[in-house]
Amino acid sequence: DAGVIQSPRHEVTEMGQEVTLRCKPISGHDYLFWYRQTMMRGLELLIYFNNNVPIDDSGMPEDRFSAKMPNASFSTLKIQPSEPRDSAVYFCASSWGALEAFFGQGTRLTVV
Amino acid sequence: DAKTTQPNSMESNEEEPVHLPCNHSTISGTDYIHWYRQLPSQGPEYVIHGLTSNVNNRMASLAIAEDRKSSTLILHRATLRDAAVYYCILRSHFNDMRFGAGTRLTVKP
Repeated sequence: DAGVIQSPRHEVTEMGQEVTLRCKPISGHDYLFWYRQTMMRGLELLIYFNNNVPIDDSGMPEDRFSAKMPNASFSTLKIQPSEPRDSAVYFCASSWGALEAFFGQGTRLTVV
Repeated sequence: DAKTTQPNSMESNEEEPVHLPCNHSTISGTDYIHWYRQLPSQGPEYVIHGLTSNVNNRMASLAIAEDRKSSTLILHRATLRDAAVYYCILRSHFNDMRFGAGTRLTVKP
C-alpha cells in the first residue's frame, strides 16, 4: 500500500474561495481522522470517521468547514468560504481500530 | 477525556540513550498508550504502542508502569535524526486520537 495519500500537497487560494482537500486512507482501515496544525494551536483534531460515519466533529471550527467520507477509500474536507486564518497544514490519518495510525504528508493551505 | 502530561522539551547527546516520560493518571483499562513523533516539516509518524506489557520494536522501547499511570519511551542510542516532537497519547477502540503539545527532543552532536 502506498500509505495515506493527500492532495493537493500545496494550495494557495484567495479569501472567499472554496477549498477542497482530499484524502485516500490505507485500504482496510476503518478510522479516518482530519487534523489541522498551526504554530499557535498545535495539532488539532477536526473530525473523525469510523466505517465512513462521522463520529465526532466537535473540532470543526465553524460552519464553513465540512467533511465527508462517501466510501471507505476517499474523504474530503471542504472550506467554504476560506479565510486567511484557515492557513495551516491539514493532515489526514487512518488506522485499523485502536492500532497504529498512519498520517499523510499533509496539505499546506495558504489563504491570501 | 483521558489526557497525558509530557515535559515541553528535553535534550540529549548523540549516541546516548533518551528516556521520554509521560504521565497518564486517568488512563482507563481499555486505553492503549501510543507514541508518535513529528520530524520537522513532516507529518506525525507512529513509533510504538502498548497496553500493559513493555514493548520493543526497531525504533524504540516502551516501558509501562505497573499501575499504567505512566510510561517511558526509550530511544537506545539517539541520533541527530531523532530530533523531533514526541507525542504520547491514549487511545481506545471507538475513541478519538487527540494530540497534546508533546516533548521537543533536541539531540546535540
